[in-house]
Amino acid sequence: QVQLQESGPGLVKPSGTVSLTCAVSGGSISSSNWWNWVRQSPGEGLEWIGQIYHTGGINYNSSPALKSRVTVSIDNSKNQLSLRLTSVTAADTAVYYCARQRTGSTSFDFWGQGTLVTVSS
Amino acid sequence: QSALTQPPSVSGAPGQRVTISCTGSSSNIGAGHGVHWYQHLPGTAPKVVMYDNTNRPSGVPDRFSGSKSGTSASLAITGLQAEDEADYYCQSYDSNLFVYVFGTGTKVTVL
Repeated sequence: QVQLQESGPGLVKPSGTVSLTCAVSGGSISSSNWWNWVRQSPGEGLEWIGQIYHTGGINYNSSPALKSRVTVSIDNSKNQLSLRLTSVTAADTAVYYCARQRTGSTSFDFWGQGTLVTVSS
Repeated sequence: QSALTQPPSVSGAPGQRVTISCTGSSSNIGAGHGVHWYQHLPGTAPKVVMYDNTNRPSGVPDRFSGSKSGTSASLAITGLQAEDEADYYCQSYDSNLFVYVFGTGTKVTVL
């Protein structure tokens, strides 16, 4: 059974940078799956942030709220993926999830439990 | 950026049937992209209960069923049980926005 575990700083100051890691166990990050980041702001719904494939393919959500601030990367040797979000504001306060995309589908079959990032001075 | 609309809440007594609707547009559900459904309890990992419109993952009870028509989809839960109380989100892909889109979420309450 594939398991994903997010980790991050918890608290970040406004205008700072958030760096999150998602460790994958029970399966290889080099499998035929896209790996995704999704977030949920307090009281809000789910928002897709971006995705990466182990050979380097990347897609980002180019919404005004995220545009040009997101970097997703992958470390095949460590079996983990990372998310970097720059110039954060209070609007970036959210629970951040990593999720595996099912092969041949646009659905996400395995998710981490999420890590809360609070942006506050 | 919720491109898919769901009712905020639905409720039913144990044993009853409830349905959750998910309304999209011609660039996501109506474009033929699959609709998927997730069950989510706060503090836990979202769990997929239906994928590609009508496919139930292994381990999900057959009380859950999915359907899709035009620009909308639905998730039905029959024989409602207390353990079904959670937030449910639909999800698809939008080929105009080039993003994966989620629904606004529906809270299912078992009375």
